[in-house]
Amino acid sequence: AQSVTQLGSHVSVSEGALVLLRCNYSSSVPPYLFWYVQYPNQGLQLLLKYTSAATLVKGINGFEAEFKKSETSFHLTKPSAHMSDAAEYFCAVSDNYKLSFGAGTTVTVRA
Amino acid sequence: DGGITQSPKYLFRKEGQNVTLSCEQNLNHDAMYWYRQDPGQGLRLIYYSQIVNDFQKGDIAEGYSVSREKKESFPLTVTSAQKNPTAFYLCASSKFRGRETQYFGPGTRLLVL
Repeated sequence: AQSVTQLGSHVSVSEGALVLLRCNYSSSVPPYLFWYVQYPNQGLQLLLKYTSAATLVKGINGFEAEFKKSETSFHLTKPSAHMSDAAEYFCAVSDNYKLSFGAGTTVTVRA
Repeated sequence: DGGITQSPKYLFRKEGQNVTLSCEQNLNHDAMYWYRQDPGQGLRLIYYSQIVNDFQKGDIAEGYSVSREKKESFPLTVTSAQKNPTAFYLCASSKFRGRETQYFGPGTRLLVL
């Protein structure tokens, strides 16, 4: 069985500051890992996906994530926050047939 | 444009009523999924289908039913047996079963009158 833990249900950053969202996973098989973003009352949009090809994964909107097997982590970062980054972010891990999601982290951006 | 559509955007259910949420995709994906989203709990899998005329229960299937008669369509019925149906429901699809990326529809918010 696999699971995901997202550390911090809410993160507040200033515009232009670093965004760091933490995700730790457990998996009995080599994991496939995902980050999704959700804007209010909308569906989820894929930010990026790790499939074991490279440990540093670049996604859309300037986000990237680094897979660290020794730490079982897949943290999401963006060097400079923009007001449009305010949303909820979900980390997910995949086994052979389904995704298991973390509880989500809500990001607010201060002007 | 290819994508996933869900309707209606908002749905109101009366006590003892069954309601059906629609999900349609034109991505030619084999696999489709239904998730329930509650605040602070992430997404939980209700049902999934890997191929037409076949579907399996997810983690929280009680009080829900599905059908998969066409590749493009995967409707979800919330039955009167589901005692706490108020939630945001998300449909997703992926090209094949397994570790493929799942793509999500815009969601349906179900409220109880």
